[in-house]
Amino acid sequence: DTAVSQTPKYLVTQMGNDKSIKCEQNLGHDTMYWYKQDSKKFLKIMFSYNNKELIINETVPNRFSPKSPDKAHLNLHINSLELGDSAVYFCASSRRGSADTQYFGPGTRLTVL
Amino acid sequence: AQSVSQHNHHVILSEAASLELGCNYSYGGTVNLFWYVQYPGQHLQLLLKYFSGDPLVKGIKGFEAEFIKSKFSFNLRKPSVQWSDTAEYFCAVNGGSQGNLIFGKGTKLSVKP
Repeated sequence: DTAVSQTPKYLVTQMGNDKSIKCEQNLGHDTMYWYKQDSKKFLKIMFSYNNKELIINETVPNRFSPKSPDKAHLNLHINSLELGDSAVYFCASSRRGSADTQYFGPGTRLTVL
Repeated sequence: AQSVSQHNHHVILSEAASLELGCNYSYGGTVNLFWYVQYPGQHLQLLLKYFSGDPLVKGIKGFEAEFIKSKFSFNLRKPSVQWSDTAEYFCAVNGGSQGNLIFGKGTKLSVKP
């Protein structure tokens, strides 16, 4: 059984479009995260949610908005896509806070043309 | 602010060689330490972690790491690498219950058969 899943795996789109990436975890974890991995493989946290409440919001553009319909899902919505948004986006979850082990999804490779 | 340094950008070894990847962090308080591995085209998987107790921790696939508090280090080791260990290795540090998980920039390991 997949613990943390993301859809789609690949996303190619034009500049200016709006897109969403979905994430689901079946681990019963309380906290979920979104990370961005750039072309140099550098990973940086974007958001985390704990029990549907945003607890960490890094300095990402407000074009990015996380949405959590329930504890098992954390979707990432991106408005007005820019070339610099091209990256691999990873969803992750942990049992409680970020001090616990985080389990990662397979990633979504976003390419903005 | 917390930071994590991985000294080696790319390490190339022959099979059966011993491996040591360096990781240093900057944070004065109690930390949780992790090593993740990312095989080509795959998501991050946890190799091992240190929260407390014995500073020498053993992980999956024959990897181990040693936490040396005085040196702010958490180096990853494996006595004999295999071709299948070819991957990107990330050290990560979390300080405090609400702190972010901070990743190093990763070390690419290439093992020649």
